[in-house]
Amino acid sequence: DQQVKQNSPSLSVQEGRISILNCDYTNSMFDYFLWYKKYPAEGPTFLISISSIKDKNEDGRFTVFLNKSAKHLSLHIVPSQPGDSAVYFCAASDENNAGKSTFGDGTTLTVKP
Amino acid sequence: DVKVTQSSRYLVKRTGEKVFLECVQDMDHENMFWYRQDPGLGLRLIYFSYDVKMKEKGDIPEGYSVSREKKERFSLILESASTNQTSMYLCASSFSSGGGYEQYFGPGTRLTVT
Repeated sequence: DQQVKQNSPSLSVQEGRISILNCDYTNSMFDYFLWYKKYPAEGPTFLISISSIKDKNEDGRFTVFLNKSAKHLSLHIVPSQPGDSAVYFCAASDENNAGKSTFGDGTTLTVKP
Repeated sequence: DVKVTQSSRYLVKRTGEKVFLECVQDMDHENMFWYRQDPGLGLRLIYFSYDVKMKEKGDIPEGYSVSREKKERFSLILESASTNQTSMYLCASSFSSGGGYEQYFGPGTRLTVT
């Protein structure tokens, strides 16, 4: 049973427009959610996170929204830039589980100039 | 600048060989992790360690073992490599308390077993 799902394997947007990446989870024990970005031939890098006590967290062009009742989170990138083209992984953590994260399968974002 | 390093970027081994993948972090993190990444399957946790000499199985531990003798070093061992272990292997580390839990990843090792 996959506890973190990213249902869109890929997303293509035009430069300057908004990119919205979605993630769903099933485990109500998750209390911390993270997004990572991965370029080819590199390890993932942490992008932004949100605690379950919040519904929004913003960092520059990146905003993460959390809807606990729907067990859904999304990452908004505004405006999108060609350098944002990468694989984005959603991850969820449970404070009682030694900081272990469960990752989604990833969404490949392509931003076209 | 935080850093996680992995012993090799690319590795080619033969079926049946014993393979060691090493990971070192310089951030004094308690937690260390080994993942494998395969197309369409995301990041799957093989093993993790929350302290020296402590380890726990992840989602896909079969065919692998680990060793953590020092806080900064976490090794992944393939006792007898098989072709289905051809993959990208990623090491990561994180703090275990204080919230956050963001993981810092190494550059990955692309292992090919022939």
